[in-house]
Amino acid sequence: DARVTQTPRHKVTEMGQEVTMRCQPILGHNTVFWYRQTMMQGLELLAYFRNRAPLDDSGMPKDRFSAEMPDATLATLKIQPSEPRDSAVYFCASGAPGGETQYFGPGTRLLVL
Amino acid sequence: QQQVKQSPQSLIVQKGGISIINCAYENTAFDYFPWYQQFPGKGPALLIAIRPDVSEKKEGRFTISFNKSAKQFSLHIMDSQPGDSATYFCAARDNYGQNFVFGPGTRLSVLP
Repeated sequence: DARVTQTPRHKVTEMGQEVTMRCQPILGHNTVFWYRQTMMQGLELLAYFRNRAPLDDSGMPKDRFSAEMPDATLATLKIQPSEPRDSAVYFCASGAPGGETQYFGPGTRLLVL
Repeated sequence: QQQVKQSPQSLIVQKGGISIINCAYENTAFDYFPWYQQFPGKGPALLIAIRPDVSEKKEGRFTISFNKSAKQFSLHIMDSQPGDSATYFCAARDNYGQNFVFGPGTRLSVLP
Protein backbone atom coordinates (compact mmCIF):
# COMPACT_ATOMS: atom_id res chain seq x y z
CA ASP A 1 0.00 0.00 0.00
CA ALA A 2 1.09 3.59 -0.58
CA ARG A 3 3.05 5.11 2.27
CA VAL A 4 5.23 8.09 3.00
CA THR A 5 8.79 6.94 3.52
CA GLN A 6 11.45 8.73 5.51
CA THR A 7 15.17 8.13 5.80
CA PRO A 8 17.05 7.69 7.97
CA ARG A 9 14.76 6.38 10.69
CA HIS A 10 17.32 7.17 13.37
CA LYS A 11 20.26 9.55 13.39
CA VAL A 12 22.80 10.26 16.10
CA THR A 13 25.25 13.03 15.38
CA GLU A 14 27.50 15.47 17.12
CA MET A 15 26.81 19.12 17.56
CA GLY A 16 27.94 21.15 14.57
CA GLN A 17 27.46 18.39 12.02
CA GLU A 18 25.14 18.64 9.04
CA VAL A 19 22.01 16.51 9.11
CA THR A 20 19.93 15.69 6.04
CA MET A 21 16.55 14.01 6.33
CA ARG A 22 14.72 12.72 3.29
CA CYS A 23 11.08 12.10 2.57
CA GLN A 24 9.36 10.37 -0.31
CA PRO A 25 5.72 11.45 -0.47
CA ILE A 26 2.99 9.16 -1.68
CA LEU A 27 3.01 9.04 -5.47
CA GLY A 28 0.62 11.63 -6.87
CA HIS A 29 0.49 13.72 -3.71
CA ASN A 30 1.30 17.38 -4.29
CA THR A 31 1.58 18.79 -0.76
CA VAL A 32 4.37 17.97 1.64
CA PHE A 33 4.65 19.03 5.26
CA TRP A 34 7.60 18.87 7.66
CA TYR A 35 6.87 18.68 11.39
CA ARG A 36 9.04 18.46 14.47
CA GLN A 37 7.75 16.63 17.53
CA THR A 38 9.12 17.06 21.04
CA MET A 39 7.68 16.35 24.45
CA MET A 40 7.78 20.03 25.34
CA GLN A 41 6.45 21.60 22.12
CA GLY A 42 4.33 18.83 20.65
CA LEU A 43 3.91 18.83 16.87
CA GLU A 44 5.29 21.98 15.26
CA LEU A 45 4.90 22.75 11.59
CA LEU A 46 8.28 23.65 10.13
CA ALA A 47 7.48 24.05 6.44
CA TYR A 48 5.14 22.96 3.74
CA PHE A 49 5.17 22.75 -0.03
CA ARG A 50 2.56 22.55 -2.71
CA ASN A 51 3.55 21.44 -6.19
CA ARG A 52 7.18 21.63 -4.99
CA ALA A 53 6.89 25.35 -4.17
CA PRO A 54 7.42 26.41 -0.55
CA LEU A 55 4.24 27.98 0.82
CA ASP A 56 5.11 28.48 4.44
CA ASP A 57 8.38 27.99 6.28
CA SER A 58 7.73 30.47 9.05
CA GLY A 59 8.07 27.75 11.67
CA MET A 60 11.61 26.95 10.67
CA PRO A 61 14.74 28.53 12.15
CA LYS A 62 16.12 30.05 8.95
CA ASP A 63 19.69 30.37 10.10
CA ARG A 64 20.27 26.65 10.30
CA PHE A 65 17.33 24.85 8.71
CA SER A 66 16.49 24.54 5.05
CA ALA A 67 13.82 22.57 3.22
CA GLU A 68 13.66 21.76 -0.46
CA MET A 69 11.86 19.60 -2.98
CA PRO A 70 14.34 18.77 -5.74
CA ASP A 71 11.57 16.85 -7.51
CA ALA A 72 8.04 15.63 -6.87
CA THR A 73 9.26 12.39 -5.31
CA LEU A 74 11.76 13.81 -2.85
CA ALA A 75 11.65 16.36 -0.06
CA THR A 76 14.66 17.17 2.08
CA LEU A 77 15.16 18.89 5.41
CA LYS A 78 18.67 19.98 6.31
CA ILE A 79 20.10 21.25 9.55
CA GLN A 80 23.52 22.91 9.41
CA PRO A 81 25.02 23.20 11.94
CA SER A 82 23.02 20.93 14.22
CA GLU A 83 22.59 21.70 17.92
CA PRO A 84 21.47 19.55 20.87
CA ARG A 85 18.17 21.44 21.00
CA ASP A 86 17.37 20.08 17.53
CA SER A 87 16.97 16.61 19.03
CA ALA A 88 13.43 15.55 18.19
CA VAL A 89 11.39 13.34 15.91
CA TYR A 90 10.94 14.89 12.48
CA PHE A 91 7.88 13.86 10.52
CA CYS A 92 7.09 14.32 6.89
CA ALA A 93 3.47 14.17 5.73
CA SER A 94 1.95 14.36 2.26
CA GLY A 95 -1.47 15.14 0.91
CA ALA A 96 -3.34 14.52 -2.33
CA PRO A 97 -4.44 17.34 -4.65
CA GLY A 98 -7.62 18.82 -3.23
CA GLY A 99 -7.50 16.41 -0.33
CA GLU A 100 -7.56 17.30 3.33
CA THR A 101 -5.93 14.29 4.90
CA GLN A 102 -2.26 14.36 5.75
CA TYR A 103 -0.48 11.03 5.59
CA PHE A 104 2.44 10.92 7.95
CA GLY A 105 5.65 9.01 7.51
CA PRO A 106 7.25 7.00 10.33
CA GLY A 107 9.54 9.87 11.32
CA THR A 108 13.27 10.41 11.73
CA ARG A 109 14.42 10.30 15.33
CA LEU A 110 17.34 12.72 15.63
CA LEU A 111 19.70 12.93 18.57
CA VAL A 112 22.35 15.64 18.56
CA LEU A 113 25.03 15.12 21.18
CA GLN B 1 -4.74 33.11 17.56
CA GLN B 2 -3.24 30.23 15.65
CA GLN B 3 -3.21 28.08 18.78
CA VAL B 4 -5.38 25.05 19.42
CA LYS B 5 -5.82 24.19 23.09
CA GLN B 6 -6.38 20.60 24.13
CA SER B 7 -7.29 18.93 27.42
CA PRO B 8 -6.70 16.82 29.36
CA GLN B 9 -3.00 16.22 28.92
CA SER B 10 -3.47 12.61 29.97
CA LEU B 11 -6.46 10.39 30.54
CA ILE B 12 -6.94 6.99 32.14
CA VAL B 13 -10.13 5.09 31.40
CA GLN B 14 -11.35 1.63 32.24
CA LYS B 15 -12.12 -0.76 29.42
CA GLY B 16 -15.66 -0.18 28.23
CA GLY B 17 -15.73 3.40 29.46
CA ILE B 18 -16.09 6.63 27.52
CA SER B 19 -13.00 8.71 26.73
CA ILE B 20 -13.57 12.41 26.13
CA ILE B 21 -10.94 14.83 24.85
CA ASN B 22 -11.66 18.51 24.39
CA CYS B 23 -10.18 21.15 22.10
CA ALA B 24 -10.74 24.88 21.69
CA TYR B 25 -9.60 27.43 19.13
CA GLU B 26 -9.80 31.16 18.47
CA ASN B 27 -9.16 31.58 14.76
CA THR B 28 -12.44 31.80 12.85
CA ALA B 29 -10.55 31.08 9.63
CA PHE B 30 -10.15 27.45 10.62
CA ASP B 31 -12.36 25.37 8.35
CA TYR B 32 -11.46 21.73 8.92
CA PHE B 33 -10.89 19.90 12.18
CA PRO B 34 -9.23 16.47 12.11
CA TRP B 35 -8.26 14.19 14.96
CA TYR B 36 -5.10 12.15 14.68
CA GLN B 37 -4.11 9.04 16.61
CA GLN B 38 -0.47 8.25 17.28
CA PHE B 39 0.96 5.01 18.64
CA PRO B 40 4.47 4.95 20.15
CA GLY B 41 7.17 4.95 17.49
CA LYS B 42 4.70 5.70 14.70
CA GLY B 43 3.57 8.76 12.84
CA PRO B 44 0.13 10.25 13.52
CA ALA B 45 -2.72 8.81 11.48
CA LEU B 46 -6.06 10.42 10.68
CA LEU B 47 -8.82 9.07 12.88
CA ILE B 48 -11.86 11.21 12.08
CA ALA B 49 -12.50 14.77 10.91
CA ILE B 50 -15.30 17.32 10.80
CA ARG B 51 -16.17 20.56 9.06
CA PRO B 52 -17.76 23.44 10.97
CA ASP B 53 -21.07 23.18 9.10
CA VAL B 54 -22.05 20.04 11.04
CA SER B 55 -22.36 19.60 14.78
CA GLU B 56 -21.53 15.93 15.04
CA LYS B 57 -19.83 13.17 13.10
CA LYS B 58 -19.73 9.54 14.09
CA GLU B 59 -17.57 6.74 12.77
CA GLY B 60 -17.91 3.51 14.67
CA ARG B 61 -16.98 4.10 18.30
CA PHE B 62 -15.53 7.55 17.56
CA THR B 63 -17.63 10.72 17.57
CA ILE B 64 -16.68 14.35 17.08
CA SER B 65 -18.94 16.96 18.62
CA PHE B 66 -18.50 20.47 17.26
CA ASN B 67 -19.75 23.72 18.79
CA LYS B 68 -19.07 26.51 16.32
CA SER B 69 -20.34 29.35 18.51
CA ALA B 70 -18.15 28.25 21.42
CA LYS B 71 -15.23 27.41 19.12
CA GLN B 72 -14.88 24.04 20.76
CA PHE B 73 -14.83 20.48 19.56
CA SER B 74 -14.38 17.17 21.29
CA LEU B 75 -13.61 13.54 20.58
CA HIS B 76 -15.66 10.86 22.28
CA ILE B 77 -14.49 7.26 22.25
CA MET B 78 -17.29 4.92 23.26
CA ASP B 79 -16.61 1.48 24.71
CA SER B 80 -12.91 2.31 25.02
CA GLN B 81 -10.54 -0.60 24.46
CA PRO B 82 -6.93 -1.20 25.52
CA GLY B 83 -6.02 -1.00 21.83
CA ASP B 84 -7.19 2.62 21.85
CA SER B 85 -4.30 3.50 24.16
CA ALA B 86 -2.38 6.12 22.19
CA THR B 87 -1.80 9.85 21.96
CA TYR B 88 -4.60 11.83 20.34
CA PHE B 89 -4.11 15.16 18.64
CA CYS B 90 -6.79 17.57 17.58
CA ALA B 91 -5.90 19.89 14.73
CA ALA B 92 -7.33 22.74 12.72
CA ARG B 93 -6.67 23.90 9.20
CA ASP B 94 -6.35 27.54 8.30
CA ASN B 95 -8.59 28.27 5.33
CA TYR B 96 -6.27 31.02 4.07
CA GLY B 97 -2.86 29.44 4.40
CA GLN B 98 -4.05 25.86 4.21
CA ASN B 99 -1.61 24.90 6.93
CA PHE B 100 -2.48 22.89 10.02
CA VAL B 101 -2.16 23.71 13.70
CA PHE B 102 -2.04 20.82 16.16
CA GLY B 103 -3.08 20.67 19.78
CA PRO B 104 -0.47 19.50 22.31
CA GLY B 105 -1.91 15.99 22.49
CA THR B 106 -3.67 13.77 25.02
CA ARG B 107 -2.13 10.51 26.15
CA LEU B 108 -4.93 8.01 26.62
CA SER B 109 -4.48 4.82 28.61
CA VAL B 110 -7.31 2.30 28.62
CA LEU B 111 -6.96 -0.20 31.44
CA PRO B 112 -7.98 -3.81 30.79
